[in-house]
Amino acid sequence: NAGVTQTPKFRILKIGQSMTLQCTQDMNHNYMYWYRQDPGMGLKLIYYSVGAGITDKGEVPNGYNVSRSTTEDFPLRLELAAPSQTSVYFCATQALSGVVKNIQYFGAGTRLSVL
Amino acid sequence: QKEVEQNSGPLSVPEGAIASLNCTYSDRGSQSFFWYRQYSGKSPELIMFIYSNGDKEDGRFTAQLNKASQYVSLLIRDSQPSDSATYLCAVIGTDLYNFNKFYFGSGTKLNVKP
Repeated sequence: NAGVTQTPKFRILKIGQSMTLQCTQDMNHNYMYWYRQDPGMGLKLIYYSVGAGITDKGEVPNGYNVSRSTTEDFPLRLELAAPSQTSVYFCATQALSGVVKNIQYFGAGTRLSVL
Repeated sequence: QKEVEQNSGPLSVPEGAIASLNCTYSDRGSQSFFWYRQYSGKSPELIMFIYSNGDKEDGRFTAQLNKASQYVSLLIRDSQPSDSATYLCAVIGTDLYNFNKFYFGSGTKLNVKP
């Protein structure tokens, strides 16, 4: 049981390049989230999904896109990377119901630098 | 815009002392409150959650909630150097549009000195 797996762990991009951050979960959770965390700051919600085929914007969605074709996968796409997107990105999942609902489980994060 | 405010610290306490971490939130209708611990370079991990006014204890940790004052705190008794980390406060948005969204504070860095 791997939980929430994020790849890659580290990446350096040049300005204007694109990339996809991968997030896969084996917890069968309906809710999935993407956050970014800038140095010394809290987590800012980028996008979230309540189930396969359903996504919505969070607080800071500009410059990002997501898709949710399966329960397990929730990739985050960066188009035309900018230095302002240098951050640590966390994927998280949450159960829809049950004793552990409202508890978010985080992946290990992807550290991204845009130079 | 829902806001969650924390003192960034660092908060320094000697080993064995009580560490008190505080958090205020702007949305009076918030119902669920969480404390996460984040070690440097690692992902957040849940320490405690609290839904009702009053205190909730779990081992060395006590969460305190005062909805009238829109205030939630975390007490760590018998602080250990291994408790040195950043502690994030989070609340869940209350209205239908924000139902599934967590709002995080910027965190308080705790240093426990041996």
